[in-house]
Amino acid sequence: KAGVTQTPRYLIKTRGQQVTLSCSPISGHRSVSWYQQTPGQGLQFLFEYFSETQRNKGNFPGRFSGRQFSNSRSEMNVSTLELGDSALYLCASSLEGRPGTDTQYFGPGTRLTVL
Amino acid sequence: KQEVTQIPAALSVPEGENLVLNCSFTDSAIYNLQWFRQDPGKGLTSLLLIQSSQREQTSGRLNASLDKSSGRSTLYIAASQPGDSATYLCAVGGSSGSRLTFGEGTQLTVNP
Repeated sequence: KAGVTQTPRYLIKTRGQQVTLSCSPISGHRSVSWYQQTPGQGLQFLFEYFSETQRNKGNFPGRFSGRQFSNSRSEMNVSTLELGDSALYLCASSLEGRPGTDTQYFGPGTRLTVL
Repeated sequence: KQEVTQIPAALSVPEGENLVLNCSFTDSAIYNLQWFRQDPGKGLTSLLLIQSSQREQTSGRLNASLDKSSGRSTLYIAASQPGDSATYLCAVGGSSGSRLTFGEGTQLTVNP
């Protein structure tokens, strides 16, 4: 069974631009979560989608948004990029995101650099 | 607010040594605890998931324990190998779906 895939793997943008990252979960998984990883803040939760609905949201500004499609694939969008948005963006999928029982599987990440 | 701490931040050991990585969390109302490894520039690989009702989980040379009441977990690695070199991350899950709160990680180096 194929793992979680993320595209693109690397991205370079300039301040003020917007970017869209894509995540394809493991087949059969319906919950997709997004995390931002930076050297200073570590891994921080952005949001979770389940059945095309945002179920949880972390403490990030409204410039960060996402969506999920009927096939469970998910995209996240960052508008008006800032230098501090440079990070590794990780996507994770699980069967249903049930707390306590569902293991989360992570993709390889998208490395975003904002110049 | 849940906070997760991992000690030590870095560890260097000779090959073959048994070692223990520590994780502590401030809110004991967790649903699960998960250990991951991360290789440089890569994503996370799930190692072990311990549900809140469990005390430990084992996979090969890895054993993870959980003491909810004291807010602690340990990851024991037996007979370490150079291929075990990576950053090990501990994450706890609460009642909010699949949201995980991560520690800062322990960077492990196993020297041949």
